Amino acid sequence: SQKIEQNSEALNIQEGKTATLTCNYTNYSPAYLQWYRQDPGRGPVFLLLIRENEKEKRKERLKVTFDTTLKQSLFHITASQPADSATYLCALMDSSYKLIFGSGTRLLVRP
Amino acid sequence: DTAVSQTPKYLVTQMGNDKSIKCEQNLGHDTMYWYKQDSKKFLKIMFSYNNKELIINETVPNRFSPKSPDKAHLNLHINSLELGDSAVYFCASSQVAGGLGTIYFGEGSWLTVV
Repeated sequence: SQKIEQNSEALNIQEGKTATLTCNYTNYSPAYLQWYRQDPGRGPVFLLLIRENEKEKRKERLKVTFDTTLKQSLFHITASQPADSATYLCALMDSSYKLIFGSGTRLLVRP
Repeated sequence: DTAVSQTPKYLVTQMGNDKSIKCEQNLGHDTMYWYKQDSKKFLKIMFSYNNKELIINETVPNRFSPKSPDKAHLNLHINSLELGDSAVYFCASSQVAGGLGTIYFGEGSWLTVV
C-alpha cells in the first residue's frame, strides 16, 4: 500500500541547533515533493518544493533533500529559533496528480 | 488581504443538521480544493475543482456536496451531519492543478458535531 511516513513523535531541540525532519514514502514515484509548515489553529503554509531531478534545495535557513533511491526527503532548519516551533508536513504528488500529505512532525525549539 | 478565506471558522451543530462552509480566493487561481484534517492530523483531499469543473472527487460520502459558482468560490455543503464529520475543513487553491504547484490554504473551519 502507499504510505507517507513522518515521525509522529515531537522533535525537541535547543535553540541554535539544526533540526532535521524525515519524510519517507512507499509505493510512490513522485515527480515533486513539497514541505509545509502548520501552526496550531492555522492552515498549512508552503515552504519549499523540490523536483525529482534536484538533490537539494535551499531557502534562507531551510534546506530540503530528495533521495528517490532511498524514497526519502530530509528537511533541515539551521540555527533554529523558538519561532520555528510548528508542525511540518511533507507532501508529494501521486500518479493522479493529487497532493498527498504526511501526518506531520511537531518541532519544539527550546530557548 | 486574505488570499483564501473561509467562513465560518467555528461551527458547532447537532447530528442530522445540514450546514455549509463558504470559501473564496482572491489569488486568481484556477484550481480550488477542500481538504479534511482529522484528529490525527492527517490532511486528506476531498474535492478539487478546476475552472468550476470537478476534477477530483475522493471517496467521500455523497452527503458532502461541493459547489463552485465561479472559479473564485468553492463552497461545501454537508447534509445529515454525523459525529464522524467532526474535523477541520480546509479550503485551498493553486494556480496549477494537483501536486504540480504550491497550494495556498485557508485558515480552516472547525466543525464539531454533537
